[in-house]
Amino acid sequence: DAGVIQSPRHEVTEMGQEVTLRCKPISGHDYLFWYRQTMMRGLELLIYFNNNVPIDDSGMPEDRFSAKMPNASFSTLKIQPSEPRDSAVYFCASSPIDSSNTGELFFGEGSRLTVL
Amino acid sequence: QQQVKQSPQSLIVQKGGISIINCAYENTAFDYFPWYQQFPGKGPALLIAIRPDVSEKKEGRFTISFNKSAKQFSLHIMDSQPGDSATYFCAASENQFYFGTGTSLTVIP
Repeated sequence: DAGVIQSPRHEVTEMGQEVTLRCKPISGHDYLFWYRQTMMRGLELLIYFNNNVPIDDSGMPEDRFSAKMPNASFSTLKIQPSEPRDSAVYFCASSPIDSSNTGELFFGEGSRLTVL
Repeated sequence: QQQVKQSPQSLIVQKGGISIINCAYENTAFDYFPWYQQFPGKGPALLIAIRPDVSEKKEGRFTISFNKSAKQFSLHIMDSQPGDSATYFCAASENQFYFGTGTSLTVIP
C-alpha cells in the first residue's frame, strides 16, 4: 500500500480564502484522524472518524473548520475563511483498529498551510 | 490543557551518548503510551510503545521506562547516532491519542 496520501503538500493562500485539504487513508483502515501541528502546541487532534462517521470533533477550533468523509477512501478538511493563525502543518492519519487497543497511527506527510 | 507534558523541548547529544526524553500525564485512564519519531518533512511514525502493566520495554537501542505511580514515562536512546536526529513525540491513549509537544533531538557527530 502507498500509505496515507495527502494533498496538497504545500498551500499558500491569502486571508479570507477557502482552503481544502485532502486525504486518502490506507485501504482497510476504519479510523481516520486529522491533526494540526504547530511549534507552540505540538500535535493537536482536530477530528476523527470511524467508518466514515465523525466521532469526536471537539478539537475543531472554530466553525470556520469543517471535515467530511464521504467514503472510506477519501476525507477533506476545509477552512473557510482562512486566517493567518491557521498557518500550520495539517496531518491526516489512519488506523486499522480502535486506538485504545494498540492502534498504531499511520500518518501522511502532511499539508503545510501558509495563510498570508 | 495539555494532557501529556513533555520535556525537554530540545536536546543536543554527542554521538554515542544517551538521549533521554521525559513525559508526564495525569489521566490514570490512559492505557497505551507510544513514542513517535518524526523526520523533517515527514509525518510521525511509531517508534516504540508500552502498556502500563510493564515498567520497561526495550527495542534495540530504544527503551521506554514507565513509572505508573509517578505517572511518568521516558524514552532512552542508547548509543545515539546522527541518524537519530529527529523530533520525538510521546503520547497517551484512552479513546484517542494525546500527544506531547515534541522534543527536537540533534545528535552531533
